[in-house]
Amino acid sequence: QLQLQESGPGLVKPSETLSLTCTVSGGSISGSNYYWGWIRQPPGKGLEWIGSMYFSGSGSYHPSLKSRVTISVDTPKNQFSLNLSSVTAADTAVYYCARRPRGDWYFDLWGHGTLVTVSS
Amino acid sequence: DIQMTQSPPSLSASVGDRVTITCRASQTISTFLNWYQQKPGKAPNLLIYTASNLQSGVPSRFSGSGSGTDFTLTISSLQPEDFGSYYCQQSFSTPFAFGPGTKVDIK
Repeated sequence: QLQLQESGPGLVKPSETLSLTCTVSGGSISGSNYYWGWIRQPPGKGLEWIGSMYFSGSGSYHPSLKSRVTISVDTPKNQFSLNLSSVTAADTAVYYCARRPRGDWYFDLWGHGTLVTVSS
Repeated sequence: DIQMTQSPPSLSASVGDRVTITCRASQTISTFLNWYQQKPGKAPNLLIYTASNLQSGVPSRFSGSGSGTDFTLTISSLQPEDFGSYYCQQSFSTPFAFGPGTKVDIK
């Protein structure tokens, strides 16, 4: 059974880069019919799609975050990662990694989520 | 960008009640609309995709309908485990926005 698990620092200083990793277990990240991506949820608020990436490197980002976001896929490690630069307090959120089927834009498998707080 | 709204923001209902949640898109999205349930402290869980398709493993008391700009999620007979927040999400065009959510409490 495929599972996703986020990992990374829970505290990041303003202006620094937020870096998270999602480890895929129970299946391969490459050669599959899925895109791999990130969604976040500020405390007590709604969900915001950040971006999604195919193992080959093709994908897309939310336009409002595009200048600060990079999602990359590491097929040998069966992981994908999120880098968000120049963070502010507004980037404080629970970050979820998630999978979407290729050709569709719904998210059918999610990690448990990890809270990242931006504070000095 | 396409904006999503939901109504009501919250509701309280009794076990066995029929519950309806509405989602509206700011422009037509055909049937590219998905529904998720989220329980406190947990990740969202896909319930319905492309407006009316029940995700595998989701109880049949959940159903979705609609097309264009107006969509509905229905719980035919509310169960105690159905508490939580429900979000719609459009998958017609990027950025793929979620609605603000509807919080469901059990009376």
